[in-house]
Amino acid sequence: DARVTQTPRDKVTEMGQEVTMRCQPILGHNTVFWYRQTMMQGLELLAYFRNRAPLDDSGMPKDRFSAEMPDATLATLKIQPSEPRDSAVYFCASGQYDNEQFFGPGTRLTVL
Amino acid sequence: GQNIDQPTEMTATEGAIVQINCTYQTSGFNGLFWYQQHAGEAPTFLSYNVLDGLEEKGRFSSFLSRSKGYSYLLLKELQMKDSASYLCAVRGAAGNKLTFGGGTRVLVKP
Repeated sequence: DARVTQTPRDKVTEMGQEVTMRCQPILGHNTVFWYRQTMMQGLELLAYFRNRAPLDDSGMPKDRFSAEMPDATLATLKIQPSEPRDSAVYFCASGQYDNEQFFGPGTRLTVL
Repeated sequence: GQNIDQPTEMTATEGAIVQINCTYQTSGFNGLFWYQQHAGEAPTFLSYNVLDGLEEKGRFSSFLSRSKGYSYLLLKELQMKDSASYLCAVRGAAGNKLTFGGGTRVLVKP
């Protein structure tokens, strides 16, 4: 049963600390997405990759956020330094070309 | 840009039918998706429309009118487990990027 995995599932940190979230997409999927979900803003696209190349990161605050795909089995989203307003659930999703996206379980981030 | 509107909340009775509307204004269109999201869980794919008309999948159906910028998700024979948020998402002209609406929370009552 192929699924997207994310670690950690929960993260509590203090303002100013670095946070790294990891995602393993479904094997064979060539597109990987990072989303952020909050009550106020809903589900927002931060960045996405196709065949490991970044296609769009216009939704991401560039001064503190960075997203990478070091290889086809790993995508990372890093926040440095973290701020309380970054508190949200971060979802990774993967898909194959233009087909539907499959979401991971999310990382619930709390920045104190 | 993209603008997607759907009602915030709907309540319905077990066994009944509920229709969730979604209207959109987009700079390009290459398909509309519906996702279901239970509280505390990830969104899961329900349906996809790229041509006008009705797509039926068991108790769930989705309709699209591209000329009107309008879609709906129809849930029939409602069950308690259908209580969830339903997200409408539009794919623009380029790539596989989705823009999501704010979601409609459906509460199914006995």
